[in-house]
Amino acid sequence: EIVLTQSPGTLSLSPGERATLSCRASQSVSSSYLAWYQQKPGQAPRLLIYVASNRATGIPDRFSGSGSGTDFTLTISRLEPEDFAVYYCQQYGSSPQTFGQGTKLEIK
Amino acid sequence: EVQVVESGGGLVQPGGSLRLSCAVSGFTFSRYGMSWVRQAPGKGLEWVSGMSGSGDSTYYADSVKGRFTISRDNSKNTVFLQMNSLRAEDTAVYYCAKDIGYSSGDYFDYWGQGTLVTVSS
Repeated sequence: EIVLTQSPGTLSLSPGERATLSCRASQSVSSSYLAWYQQKPGQAPRLLIYVASNRATGIPDRFSGSGSGTDFTLTISRLEPEDFAVYYCQQYGSSPQTFGQGTKLEIK
Repeated sequence: EVQVVESGGGLVQPGGSLRLSCAVSGFTFSRYGMSWVRQAPGKGLEWVSGMSGSGDSTYYADSVKGRFTISRDNSKNTVFLQMNSLRAEDTAVYYCAKDIGYSSGDYFDYWGQGTLVTVSS
């Protein structure tokens, strides 16, 4: 199965700053079938990005995804207070679908 | 409005069984795959099982294969997860999630709030 490694484990930034989160796959992700989710404490995950760079319905344009092959990035251009959460990547190009271990984005 | 509501979690002894239910509304249920994803306390997400829209295809993580069974009742817009031979490492919040496509195995656009399963003596 494909192992996804997210970095950094924790990212400390201030509102208004730019956040760059990485997701690296142990082998190439077919067709860039990679998604990103946001999870806040006590809540279910929320879909942000699919097929590496497509924003889900209702997701603000400050969220963007990029990458292909084994290296993917989630960028939040200007952090809002509500963006501080845990972010997970998921590959669904190969069975079984797998998730990364998460990056915690915390307020500095 | 899409709604996904899980139920059936609770405390169970090791070796015991539990059946989770997930009731959905707001979309044509039989057209979409449904999955279960779990999250152990303080840990990340782990896909557990999925089923196609008609129920003719099922998928399981190796960690639960042979112990868990997914099923669905399209007349009641409900998906189930029967969990047998439970182990301490099955302790987690179990989320029900709607697949973006019919066959399951894609990404998930709607999730329930989860139901907690605790396996302990």
